[in-house]
Amino acid sequence: DQQVKQNSPSLSVQEGRISILNCDYTNSMFDYFLWYKKYPAEGPTFLISISSIKDKNEDGRFTVFLNKSAKHLSLHIVPSQPGDSAVYFCAALYNQGGKLIFGQGTELSVKP
Amino acid sequence: DTGVSQDPRHKITKRGQNVTFRCDPISEHNRLYWYRQTLGQGPEFLTYFQNEAQLEKSRLLSDRFSAERPKGSFSTLEIQRTEQGDSAMYLCASSLDLGYTEAFFGQGTRLTVV
Repeated sequence: DQQVKQNSPSLSVQEGRISILNCDYTNSMFDYFLWYKKYPAEGPTFLISISSIKDKNEDGRFTVFLNKSAKHLSLHIVPSQPGDSAVYFCAALYNQGGKLIFGQGTELSVKP
Repeated sequence: DTGVSQDPRHKITKRGQNVTFRCDPISEHNRLYWYRQTLGQGPEFLTYFQNEAQLEKSRLLSDRFSAERPKGSFSTLEIQRTEQGDSAMYLCASSLDLGYTEAFFGQGTRLTVV
């Protein structure tokens, strides 16, 4: 069963606008969430994370929001840049580490 | 560069052959993970080590797959009697043992079984 879901396989936005990538999870035991970015032929690169005790974490242009009651998180990128074009994976873990459970990914395309 | 290193980057093998991949983690990281990624999917967990101890294995890791981390440093992943369904990107990652912390990934080994 898919415990972490990214229901949008792709997203296209204009440069300078906001990109919003969504992620839903089913396992209420998850208590730490991460976003990774992946370029073709490279491994995933860590972007930003959030603990379940918070509802928002911000790092420069990237903000992650967590809604525990809805089991939903989102990544906001403002302003979007062409270099942000990549596949974005949401991941979750629990019990202080161990394996990451990944979503299927969303391919973001930022057009100049 | 002191990131996670994987070798080889690409491997083409005939069905039924054995293959072995190597991963060198970031030197101070005592956790090491193996994942598999197929087209259109996110990375799927295979196994992980804390130092030399293999702490968890996924049910995806059939008896044809074996992983080792003999001295708690580098790790190898061996696939015996490869099948076409084994074709995928095999990713290695490492992290510190500090509770909640991000894992750093290597560039992966692309396996093609023909």
